[in-house]
Amino acid sequence: GNSVTQMEGPVTLSEEAFLTINCTYTATGYPSLFWYVQYPGEGLQLLLKATKADDKGSNKGFEATYRKETTSFHLEKGSVQVSDSAVYFCALSSNYKLTFGKGTLLTVNP
Amino acid sequence: DVKVTQSSRYLVKRTGEKVFLECVQDMDHENMFWYRQDPGLGLRLIYFSYDVKMKEKGDIPEGYSVSREKKERFSLILESASTNQTSMYLCASSLLAGVYEQYFGPGTRLTVT
Repeated sequence: GNSVTQMEGPVTLSEEAFLTINCTYTATGYPSLFWYVQYPGEGLQLLLKATKADDKGSNKGFEATYRKETTSFHLEKGSVQVSDSAVYFCALSSNYKLTFGKGTLLTVNP
Repeated sequence: DVKVTQSSRYLVKRTGEKVFLECVQDMDHENMFWYRQDPGLGLRLIYFSYDVKMKEKGDIPEGYSVSREKKERFSLILESASTNQTSMYLCASSLLAGVYEQYFGPGTRLTVT
């Protein structure tokens, strides 16, 4: 079946540091890939998506590239802010269902 | 913007009670979903519905049922709440076609004592 593996947290960074959160997947066919973010006390929000190989999703300074050859969709940001502190979920879609990773807690200190 | 609302942010119930969690979306989405979120386990799909009165079991349906009488509303029912159902419950919706991104409500934190 489908599965998503993302790096375990927590990840703690200083403001303006570079962020990478690794995500790899196992799936049949050609899934779409997503990163969701969950701020404290809130539901999940779609951060970015990519629908086919070599697509790059980007939003709010975050980027991720759909790499079919390595089955990866790593999340990156060049300079994190305190307001980026949240839990980040990698996910893939198959038919109309999403399979999520377990989430990575990011804390950014001033 | 898509809006998914859930009836309660926090709920405290006693063991054995029947519990209803309500979810409403305002974007005419065909698909609706119920997840539970637990630390270290991520999100797990309980049930989903791809049309009115249609439902399918997700990964952890035991102890839950659902109802979808109208397109915009999807209810999760705990027939007899137990302490191991203490969790955060998240509702989501998506279009039937397309790349299937889901839009989430704010969640209901349920505590069963």
